[in-house]
Amino acid sequence: QVKLVQSGAEVKKPGASVKVSCKTSGYTFVTYGLSWVRQAPGQGLEWMGWISAYYGSTNYAQNLQGRLSLTRDTSTGTVYMELSSLRSDDTAVYFCISERETTGSIYFQYWGQGTLVTVSS
Amino acid sequence: EFVLTQSPGTLSLSPGERATLSCRASQSVDSRHLAWYQQKFGQPPRLLIYGASNRATDIPDRISGSGSGTDFTLSISRLEHEDFAVYYCHVYGSSRATFGQGTKLEIK
Repeated sequence: QVKLVQSGAEVKKPGASVKVSCKTSGYTFVTYGLSWVRQAPGQGLEWMGWISAYYGSTNYAQNLQGRLSLTRDTSTGTVYMELSSLRSDDTAVYFCISERETTGSIYFQYWGQGTLVTVSS
Repeated sequence: EFVLTQSPGTLSLSPGERATLSCRASQSVDSRHLAWYQQKFGQPPRLLIYGASNRATDIPDRISGSGSGTDFTLSISRLEHEDFAVYYCHVYGSSRATFGQGTKLEIK
């Protein structure tokens, strides 16, 4: 059974950084890529970035370039999302996702439970 | 900039009715890259459809997806109470993704 378990809620001050972990289990970690998506209160879904679990290569949404860093630890099957220079509009629930691929279709099959990050002075 | 526009923003229907949700892309999309998700309050999204028309595991055949090019549709026949939620379309290609703004399906 595939599981993605994220770290707990965080409260940060503007200008600080936050690091959220996502521990996977139930499949071979390096086989599939992982994405991060966030959702501000009452708003829609925003894709943030992607990391190859095998190579560690990354792609980031243009609006987060320079502030977002995705890393992974293949020994524990864990991926990390670090966002720096936090602003109030970074307040959101952050989701990690383990992707799957079928005949050229890549989709967000398995989701973590979400981590609420609150940025407030 | 690539944009997905969903309509309507809110759809009010009664159980037993049919729902038709639209997703329009600002440029043509490879249909293999189009997916639909359902989200209920306080939960992560759930994959419904991938490759524009393929149902994910355990998704009932009341739910179907169709479309190509720039116009895609999610249809739900015989609405049940569990179907009232927010629905998002999604395009993912070249390790980048875009979501539509969502359609809220509410009980009339």
